[in-house]
Amino acid sequence: AQKVTQAQTEISVVEKEDVTLDCVYETRDTTYYLFWYKQPPSGELVFLIRRNSFDEQNEISGRYSWNFQKSTSSFNFTITASQVVDSAVYFCALSEAPEYKLSFGAGTTVTVRA
Amino acid sequence: AAGVIQSPRHLIKEKRETATLKCYPIPRHDTVYWYQQGPGQDPQFLISFYEKMQSDKGSIPDRFSAQQFSDYHSELNMSSLELGDSALYFCASSRWDRRYQETQYFGPGTRLLVL
Repeated sequence: AQKVTQAQTEISVVEKEDVTLDCVYETRDTTYYLFWYKQPPSGELVFLIRRNSFDEQNEISGRYSWNFQKSTSSFNFTITASQVVDSAVYFCALSEAPEYKLSFGAGTTVTVRA
Repeated sequence: AAGVIQSPRHLIKEKRETATLKCYPIPRHDTVYWYQQGPGQDPQFLISFYEKMQSDKGSIPDRFSAQQFSDYHSELNMSSLELGDSALYFCASSRWDRRYQETQYFGPGTRLLVL
């Protein structure tokens, strides 16, 4: 069963608009970790942000912010004032003890138009 | 900062041939993970190693094997290649801590094409 669900397949915005990516996860563990990775057209997987289950504080890092809601098992990610270079596939991923392998969502393709 | 190195970056093989993919983790990282990403799909976990021992195994075909060496680099060996093995193969590394998940950092991937 899919542990991470990204309901949005594709999002298209105009530069400078904000983009919010949804992620819903499923786990029975009390301690787990959530990540967002970016995969630009060149193919590499770039780590963006992480959140530990035991820390629900939401943060902002530059143009990135995230909203972690344990009650709804959601870990949403927002890009503020999007730029063309933000065009990529964004993956939400879940990691559980003890081996910590990543379970990825299906990904959301973000296209930012100039 | 040093990143994960993967070689080769591109590989073309014929069906039934063998392939070896190499991964050099970030210095001081002791854990290596291998993932396979088919076209238009999300990465799928194959296998992982911690301190040269296999730590976890995913949906890795029996035709594939892997190991981690004393210098922590890892190799993924793929035999009797099939068309369906064409994919992007990622290696990721992290430092293992039983109490805390360290972030996995990915290499640039090896793009394998089986003809």
